[in-house]
Amino acid sequence: AQRVTQPEKLLSVFKGAPVELKCNYSYSGSPELFWYVQYSRQRLQLLLRHISRESIKGFTADLNKGETSFHLKKPFAQEEDSAMYYCALYNQGGKLIFGQGTELSVKP
Amino acid sequence: DTAVSQTPKYLVTQMGNDKSIKCEQNLGHDTMYWYKQDSKKFLKIMFSYNNKELIINETVPNRFSPKSPDKAHLNLHINSLELGDSAVYFCASSSYSGSGTDTQYFGPGTRLTVL
Repeated sequence: AQRVTQPEKLLSVFKGAPVELKCNYSYSGSPELFWYVQYSRQRLQLLLRHISRESIKGFTADLNKGETSFHLKKPFAQEEDSAMYYCALYNQGGKLIFGQGTELSVKP
Repeated sequence: DTAVSQTPKYLVTQMGNDKSIKCEQNLGHDTMYWYKQDSKKFLKIMFSYNNKELIINETVPNRFSPKSPDKAHLNLHINSLELGDSAVYFCASSSYSGSGTDTQYFGPGTRLTVL
């Protein structure tokens, strides 16, 4: 079964602390994975994708095929990082399969 | 210069009514999608159209009927609304190349409340 799991519904950290949002996937083929972010009162937007191996707003995510994970990390969280984060898997049938989402709250 | 727009932003209606949500994109994309975000913020695809043709239909009740008059528009019509239809509906668009690397651009969402 193709599935994306984000085990944490809510993650609360203090400003300046490291943050890791967990994402595990189940997919038989070669996965294409993404992180999308939804800031308060804004639309969902792409944060980063694993094939680009990029760092956006200080966030990085490494695909670990052995652990079937694609965790999102940032060494020093900022208050403006508070948002809903979705991990997503592209299915070769043309679908984006989203995880349940993790709400990140960064406290001052 | 909004990329993906949806109307209305909020929709409150009674059970049993029929309603439509409109979506338009000015990005020149040939693929458009409808997603449903439930009260627990779970986001799931409903439909996808490529060049006005349906390519994904995710076991959605046939009360939901998408219509694509042209590749820049994908409307969602819902018949006989039920309480469980209350959710936020997002439209999205992307270029189509069969690759997941084509970023999907989302609309602002339509919050539907069925009373």
